Amino acid sequence: AQTVTQSQPEMSVQEAETVTLSCTYDTSESDYYLFWYKQPPSRQMILVIRQEAYKQQNATENRFSVNFQKAAKSFSLKISDSQLGDAAMYFCAYRSAVRDMRFGAGTRLTVKP
Amino acid sequence: NAGVMQNPRHLVRRRGQEARLRCSPMKGHSHVYWYRQLPEEGLKFMVYLQKENIIDESGMPKERFSAEFPKEGPSILRIQQVVRGDSAAYFCASSPATLVNTEAFFGQGTRLTVV
Repeated sequence: AQTVTQSQPEMSVQEAETVTLSCTYDTSESDYYLFWYKQPPSRQMILVIRQEAYKQQNATENRFSVNFQKAAKSFSLKISDSQLGDAAMYFCAYRSAVRDMRFGAGTRLTVKP
Repeated sequence: NAGVMQNPRHLVRRRGQEARLRCSPMKGHSHVYWYRQLPEEGLKFMVYLQKENIIDESGMPKERFSAEFPKEGPSILRIQQVVRGDSAAYFCASSPATLVNTEAFFGQGTRLTVV
């Protein structure tokens, strides 16, 4: 079974600083995608970034980047130059070709002004 | 192209009543996923449907819960004889295909409160 683990229930970062959110997953499949979603207080799920498992290059979207370690099954999210609007719940997600999307338990990120 | 539409946004039911949650996927999307989110917790997978088919319902309780995605109309998540423990936010997501690189687009959820 595929499982996604986020070991940090809560994280805090100072505005303009950098923070890294951890995610590990367990799978026996070789073809899959990994995602980070953001859920602000509005509860809307917003895609932040995605990573193809077959690509070695880490995905980057503006201030958001990932550190994808396939052998270690690790997929961390780095947020640079943190902004107050980054405060939200962040969910790591896994999806394979034959499965639906599975989520971790989430990390609540607080940004301090 | 409207996003994933869920209704109602808020639903209050008394214990023992039935709750019907609706999800209209994005136009052109034939895959629907339902998730439940308890307060301060992550999204728990419930069921994955394609048009007229249930693909994976391994996350859905065997009793009282059912889901459908008919050829025409929205996907429905039905909870019969609701209990207090069913109180949660229920999210629906849709995607165009089983292509692994397609993200799932989420609705804004239905918050069910059982009193």
